[in-house]
Amino acid sequence: AIQMTQSPSSLSASVGDRVTITCRASQGIRNDLGWYQQKPGKAPKLLIYAASTLQSGVPSRFSGSGSGTDFTLTISSLQPEDFATYYCLQDYNYPRTFGQGTKVEIK
Amino acid sequence: QVQLQQWGAGLLKPSETLSLTCAVYGGSFSGYYWSWIRQPPGKGLEWIGEINHSGSTNYNPSLESRVTISVDTSKNQFSLKLSSVTAADTAVYYCARTRQWLVRGRYLYAFDIWGQGTMVTVSS
Repeated sequence: AIQMTQSPSSLSASVGDRVTITCRASQGIRNDLGWYQQKPGKAPKLLIYAASTLQSGVPSRFSGSGSGTDFTLTISSLQPEDFATYYCLQDYNYPRTFGQGTKVEIK
Repeated sequence: QVQLQQWGAGLLKPSETLSLTCAVYGGSFSGYYWSWIRQPPGKGLEWIGEINHSGSTNYNPSLESRVTISVDTSKNQFSLKLSSVTAADTAVYYCARTRQWLVRGRYLYAFDIWGQGTMVTVSS
């Protein structure tokens, strides 16, 4: 199975900060990667698919980049509603595998 | 607007079989894969497996020997059974729709709609 490693595991940031989360795959996965946001007690929400395509309805302050093994999720200006845990997911092959998550907390 | 509604037993004893069902409302059932994903308390997400309307399945090898995912197209429902559960199977279980996009000649996938989640606890 492809292993997905996110960094950092957690971070503290302030409203208005630019935040970057990294996801690394154990082998090349082209651009077959998505990013999800999860708030406590809720189901995850799709933010980005195909590494860089914003899902309909997701604010434009979220962006994704990368290809192959290294990927990035960027929040250009952190908003109060963005404090959550973020997961990457590879859909290159089976089994689908998630990163371990990055918790974004209020500084 | 497509919605997923899931239900099933929330408390099991070790060695019992977990059984959950997810109903799809407000949209097409065919043309998609339908997945189960779980999340142990305080931990990350694990993909369990998926099925399409024709009954074609893909499973996570780590669970494959104990998992059965089935579909009832007449009701727009799909179900998960996980046998011989232990405390390690305690988790929130989610159903989700796998949507596919054709991007530069290749299909890419993502879980775009999720159920509300069902907490399943395994305890003697």
